[in-house]
Amino acid sequence: GNSVTQMEGPVTLSEEAFLTINCTYTATGYPSLFWYVQYPGEGLQLLLKATKADDKGSNKGFEATYRKETTSFHLEKGSVQVSDSAVYFCALSNAGGTSYGKLTFGQGTILTVHP
Amino acid sequence: KAGVTQTPRYLIKTRGQQVTLSCSPISGHRSVSWYQQTPGQGLQFLFEYFSETQRNKGNFPGRFSGRQFSNSRSEMNVSTLELGDSALYLCASSPMGGADEKLFFGSGTQLSVL
Repeated sequence: GNSVTQMEGPVTLSEEAFLTINCTYTATGYPSLFWYVQYPGEGLQLLLKATKADDKGSNKGFEATYRKETTSFHLEKGSVQVSDSAVYFCALSNAGGTSYGKLTFGQGTILTVHP
Repeated sequence: KAGVTQTPRYLIKTRGQQVTLSCSPISGHRSVSWYQQTPGQGLQFLFEYFSETQRNKGNFPGRFSGRQFSNSRSEMNVSTLELGDSALYLCASSPMGGADEKLFFGSGTQLSVL
């Protein structure tokens, strides 16, 4: 079955530090890959996505590249801000006609950024 | 455009009771999915509805059920509540429920079972 593995957290950084959150996946076929972010007391919001190999998703300074050869989709940001403090989830959905509305999520990584 | 609205925000129930949670999707979205979020199991898919039909289902017991109305609003029901059902229940909507689509999540209903 499908699975997503994220790096162990929590991650604590100082403002303007470089961020990497590792994500690897197991899936059949060619899944679509996503990063969602959850701020305290809120639901999840899509941060970025990539739907095929070598695609790069980007948004708000965050980037992730779909690497099929290493089955990875690592999240990076060059300079984090205090406002980036949140929980980050890597997720996948299977291509094809039966994955309606279903995402398989990683366990989440808590990011705390200090001034 | 209004976002995904979930009601109530908090619920406290006792073991053995049943509970109904409500979700109003973004206007024009026809697909509604439900997820359970717990510290131990993380985010797990419950089911997805489109045009009043369940198209996809996760690995949850039959005590968990749902439905969708003609206006795309959805409800989920949990019968015979157990302590382990305590969780944040998230609803998400999208236009068609396709694999590439962005899901729009509500803020969730926090269910506590005592």
